[in-house]
Amino acid sequence: DAGVTQSPTHLIKTRGQQVTLRCSPISGHKSVSWYQQVLGQGPQFIFQYYEKEERGRGNFPDRFSARQFPNYSSELNVNALLLGDSALYLCASSLGASGRGETQYFGPGTRLLVL
Amino acid sequence: AQSVTQLDSHVSVSEGTPVLLRCNYSSSYSPSLFWYVQHPNKGLQLLLKYTSAATLVKGINGFEAEFKKSETSFHLTKPSAHMSDAAEYFCVVSEGGGGSNYKLTFGKGTLLTVNP
Repeated sequence: DAGVTQSPTHLIKTRGQQVTLRCSPISGHKSVSWYQQVLGQGPQFIFQYYEKEERGRGNFPDRFSARQFPNYSSELNVNALLLGDSALYLCASSLGASGRGETQYFGPGTRLLVL
Repeated sequence: AQSVTQLDSHVSVSEGTPVLLRCNYSSSYSPSLFWYVQHPNKGLQLLLKYTSAATLVKGINGFEAEFKKSETSFHLTKPSAHMSDAAEYFCVVSEGGGGSNYKLTFGKGTLLTVNP
């Protein structure tokens, strides 16, 4: 079975631009979460979507937005890019949204560099 | 609010010797706890998880962790390190109630190096 897939793998943008990252969950998984991992740090929670609805949001500015499609794939959008947005963006999928100890399966990530 | 503290940013061991990666957590509710591993240029892989069943949890590749509520700890161990264990390890907490159990909170990570 295919795992979580993300595209693109790498991306270079300049300050002020907008970027869209894509994620396809494991087949049968209805929940997608997004995390930002800055170099040398652990991943930080950005969003969770379940059945196309936002279920949670981390401490990120409104420049960050996301959505989930009927096929459960998801997009993360970041507007007005700042140098500090340079990071590895990770997508994770799970069967449900809030089951106790629910395992989240991570994709390989999209590495974004903002110049 | 939930949080995780990984007590060592870097641990270095010799091949064949035991591994101990330390983790303390803070949680307002009954937590679920995880250890993930991240190899260079690869995604995060689940090693093991605790969800209020047995306090000693066995994972993949010979790793195990013990949940100690009185010490709020969830340390990761392995009896004998292998070169392929060299990677970044993350201790993760997810709260089990109060409506906030949808997100994972990661520690800052422990880099494990294994010397031949």
